[in-house]
Amino acid sequence: RKEVEQDPGPFNVPEGATVAFNCTYSNSASQSFFWYRQDCRKEPKLLMSVYSSGNEDGRFTAQLNRASQYISLLIRDSKLSDSATYLCAVLMGEDNDMRFGAGTRLTVKP
Amino acid sequence: GAVVSQHPSWVICKSGTSVKIECRSLDFQATTMFWYRQFPKQSLMLMATSNEGSKATYEQGVEKDKFLINHASLTLSTLTVTSAHPEDSSFYICSADRGTYEQYFGPGTRLTVT
Repeated sequence: RKEVEQDPGPFNVPEGATVAFNCTYSNSASQSFFWYRQDCRKEPKLLMSVYSSGNEDGRFTAQLNRASQYISLLIRDSKLSDSATYLCAVLMGEDNDMRFGAGTRLTVKP
Repeated sequence: GAVVSQHPSWVICKSGTSVKIECRSLDFQATTMFWYRQFPKQSLMLMATSNEGSKATYEQGVEKDKFLINHASLTLSTLTVTSAHPEDSSFYICSADRGTYEQYFGPGTRLTVT
C-alpha cells in the first residue's frame, strides 16, 4: 500500500462547480497534513495546512478524518484559474519526512 | 510568504559530467532542506533530507555518492549530480522548512542529460 494515495482524476468540471478531492494515508501516527497546488512544470505551492478541526480559506475547505485516515479538499464555485494539479502531503515518521500523493489533475472549463 | 530560490532553473549537460544545483532560502533560515525529484506526470519523490552542519539523510534507493548534498549554511544547500546519465534527467526541486513543518519550494531545476 502506498504511503499516500489520492483520487486518480482527472477531474473536469464547469465553472462554478463544487469539487472534492480525497487523500488517504497509511501511517496512523502522522500529525501534519497539507494541500499543495502545482501548475504545469512549476513547483508546488502551499495551498493550506489541514488542521484537526478542519479549516476554511475562502472557497477552499480542508478536513481531516483521523479514524479513516484521510484528508479532503473541497473547492466551491470553481474558477478557471483553479485548474492545476493538487497534491496532498503528509508528514510521516520520526524524521517528519514529507510524503506526497501522486496528485489530482483538475481542469475547470468555461 | 517564504521565498526559496534555485539555480539554475534549467540545465543541459552531457552524459558523464557533473551538475550542481543550488537552493537558497532568501528570507528565513532553514535548518532543514529537502531535495525532491519529479518525473513527468508523477509525484514528488523525496531524495534526501539536508541538515545544516551534518550529513544528509538519503532515502532508500538514492545513491549518496551520486547525489552529493552539502548544506553549508542555514540558507544554502547544494545538490551535485555526479557522472550524470540520461536517466537522471528530471525536475529537481528543493524545499526548506522554516520551522513550522510547512515546506516552501524552490522553482525547480529541469535537468536534461544528453
